[in-house]
Amino acid sequence: DAMVIQNPRYQVTQFGKPVTLSCSQTLNHNVMYWYQQKSSQAPKLLFHYYDKDFNNEADTPDNFQSRRPNTSFCFLDIRSPGLGDAAMYLCATSRDGGVLYGYTFGSGTRLTVV
Amino acid sequence: AQRVTQPEKLLSVFKGAPVELKCNYSYSGSPELFWYVQYSRQRLQLLLRHISRESIKGFTADLNKGETSFHLKKPFAQEEDSAMYYCALSGRTGANNLFFGTGTRLTVIP
Repeated sequence: DAMVIQNPRYQVTQFGKPVTLSCSQTLNHNVMYWYQQKSSQAPKLLFHYYDKDFNNEADTPDNFQSRRPNTSFCFLDIRSPGLGDAAMYLCATSRDGGVLYGYTFGSGTRLTVV
Repeated sequence: AQRVTQPEKLLSVFKGAPVELKCNYSYSGSPELFWYVQYSRQRLQLLLRHISRESIKGFTADLNKGETSFHLKKPFAQEEDSAMYYCALSGRTGANNLFFGTGTRLTVIP
């Protein structure tokens, strides 16, 4: 099945230790997004790639970076995780922005910072 | 700035009863509106889109521009409808970044 796959499902990292979350897709969608969702809150967009163009949301902390080496993969790098970065991180894809067909989401990676 | 408001965090209805999940929005322009659903232990998935005016699993949603609302309705709730429901909006051009409400957890009581 064509889908969006996030690894790992659960990630535990130490305070201040860099961590990378990964997302891959078999849909050949040209847009990929990273969302952060904290408990009982709405998913919050961090950034997205439209093809190779990176677009950062204005309030995304500098601590968060992203890489998209090819169409299929996108990574979320947290350079120095703090306790406040513990959250569910959702990867999503769309074709040309998703107006017609919406987004396809991965299952998420739950990040714990200790 | 865009905003999506779902006033009810929790909503419980009996099986067979009508259900309405409320969503209000603010957006400078003409947004596209969506409902996403997350069933237990499953990923977030698209339920329906304003643009297609469809009915999915018996759910419908009407965009009311005057009231800036996009409430989700179903005439007869089923147990399998129990889930987390998110209302979301996006613009119509570019990457159309989705902005979500905080969600409503619907429980259908047998």
